[in-house]
Amino acid sequence: EAQVTQNPRYLITVTGKKLTVTCSQNMNHEYMSWYRQDPGLGLRQIYYSMNVEVTDKGDVPEGYKVSRKEKRNFPLILESPSPNQTSLYFCASKGTRSSYEQYFGPGTRLTVT
Amino acid sequence: GQQVMQIPQYQHVQEGEDFTTYCNSSTTLSNIQWYKQRPGGHPVFLIQLVKSGEVKKQKRLTFQFGEAKKNSSLHITATQTTDVGTYFCAGDWSGGYQKVTFGTGTKLQVIP
Repeated sequence: EAQVTQNPRYLITVTGKKLTVTCSQNMNHEYMSWYRQDPGLGLRQIYYSMNVEVTDKGDVPEGYKVSRKEKRNFPLILESPSPNQTSLYFCASKGTRSSYEQYFGPGTRLTVT
Repeated sequence: GQQVMQIPQYQHVQEGEDFTTYCNSSTTLSNIQWYKQRPGGHPVFLIQLVKSGEVKKQKRLTFQFGEAKKNSSLHITATQTTDVGTYFCAGDWSGGYQKVTFGTGTKLQVIP
């Protein structure tokens, strides 16, 4: 089944404790992206990647890191999480350069206390 | 950065009534996409609009892209309870298929 998977689905952590949210897709998509969703603010893009070893900042990259060492994986790293990073995070992927259709993962709900 | 303003933020309708959500950009868009997110779910792609004045239909859903490519709308005819969710537009100004900016969404409640 074609899908985007994220782990963990739920995470409660404390300020400053490094964490990684994994994202994997099995559709051989070149493009992958991370979003955060907050009430009243919609989805905001954090980082995106056009291909392996190619990443770029979205609208809200501060406090996040990403890497794209393999085509299927695009982990989101929070080196020193803070409470304002409490949010619902979505990973997404899409295929050809001319395609707009993004496939979203199920989401990761992160709480930083 | 670029923004798309989406209104209304919330809409409650009686089942069978129509529903419309609007997205507006202050500058010309290259294209716009629409997504639907069911409660507790993830966004699901509905459609993309690229051409000026474009109108596309999917059963009871009608999508329009303005002549100036600065606004778009999604209209649902005769809503059903299965239409419940949040509808987002996502704007692309560069046409590079890379970076999109989502609107804040319209949350639709359908009263049976």
